Order: sequence, then C-alpha cells, then structure tokens
Amino acid sequence: KAGVTQTPRYLIKTRGQQVTLSCSPISGHRSVSWYQQTPGQGLQFLFEYFSETQRNKGNFPGRFSGRQFSNSRSEMNVSTLELGDSALYLCASSLVEGVNNEQFFGPGTRLTVL
Amino acid sequence: DQQVKQNSPSLSVQEGRISILNCDYTNSMFDYFLWYKKYPAEGPTFLISISSIKDKNEDGRFTVFLNKSAKHLSLHIVPSQPGDSAVYFCAAKVLGSARQLTFGSGTQLTVLP
Repeated sequence: KAGVTQTPRYLIKTRGQQVTLSCSPISGHRSVSWYQQTPGQGLQFLFEYFSETQRNKGNFPGRFSGRQFSNSRSEMNVSTLELGDSALYLCASSLVEGVNNEQFFGPGTRLTVL
Repeated sequence: DQQVKQNSPSLSVQEGRISILNCDYTNSMFDYFLWYKKYPAEGPTFLISISSIKDKNEDGRFTVFLNKSAKHLSLHIVPSQPGDSAVYFCAAKVLGSARQLTFGSGTQLTVLP
C-alpha cells in the first residue's frame, strides 16, 4: 500500500508570491491534516479536512488555506509569502475522523521563501 | 503558549543503555498522548501511544509512562540502538476531537555505538 505522498518535495519562492502544495493520502483514508514544522517550534497544526470540509483550523493567518477533493487528495495554499513561512509542511492522513486512529505522515514539502 | 513542552532539545546515550525522553503538558483537557519518531527527510512515524486512563503502555523496547497529576509523560527505550537515533516528538490530543495533534518541539536522540 502506498504511503502519503506530497508534491513537490522542495520549493523555492520569493516574498509576495503564492504557493500550492499537494497531498495524496493513503488509499481509503478520508481525513487529511496539515502541519507546519519550523526549527524549535515542533509541528504546528494548520487545518484538517474530512469529506471535502474543513473540520478544524489552527492558529494561522488567513493567508493559509486549503481544500480537499472528492478523492480525498488535499491542497494547501499560502498567499503573499513571507520569510517566516519558510518551513517543512507535513501532511498526515488517517482512516476515520473522531476515532483515535493513527495519523500517517508524508515526507513533507520543504518551502524556502527568499 | 506551548501546551506541550519537550525541554531537552537533545540527548546522547550509549548503545545498550536506557534512553529517557521527557514531555510536559499544560492543558488538562488532553487525554491521549503519542510519541512520533522522525528521521531526516522523512515524515514523523507513529511509535507508541497512551490513553489517560492508563499510566503505562509497553511495546517491545518502548514504554511510555504517564503521570497525570504532574502532567508529565516519558518515553523509555531499552536497550537503545544506533538505529533509534532520530528526533522524537511528543504529541497530545483531546479524545473525540478532530485529528488535531498538539506537538512538542522535539528531542534529538543520538545513540552512540
């Protein structure tokens, strides 16, 4: 069974640009969550999607948005990039919302904002 | 305000000895705790979890202890192996909530051969 895949793996952008990251969950998983990892801050929860609906949102500005498609694939978008947005963005999928099933993480997308 | 804290950014242990990684939390609503391991260039991998109704959970070389009164949990690895060298994240959630996990900042464990 294929794991969680994220594309692209690496991305370099400049301030003010926007970026779209993609996540394909494990087949059969319908819940997708996004996290931002920066040095010294651990993983910060961005948002979670289930059945194409955002179910929960972390404490991030409105520049961060996401969506989920009918096949459970998810994208996140960051507009008007800032230097501080440089981070590893991780996507995690799990089977069923609200049940303590394990979250499986993808390898992440390393975003560098210059 | 970090609700989950891992105060030791790094830990070095000799192969074969015990590794103890610590985690503290402040939110008393948390009732489910997890440990993840992360190698460079890979996503975090689930290691072991514990519900707040237990104070210990064991899986092979890995044991997690939970002290609810102190709002403290620890991960014990015995015996430590060089392949255990990775960043370990402690995470917590509220049962019945959505997928949201609150993570600590991680501890880099290095097991010396």
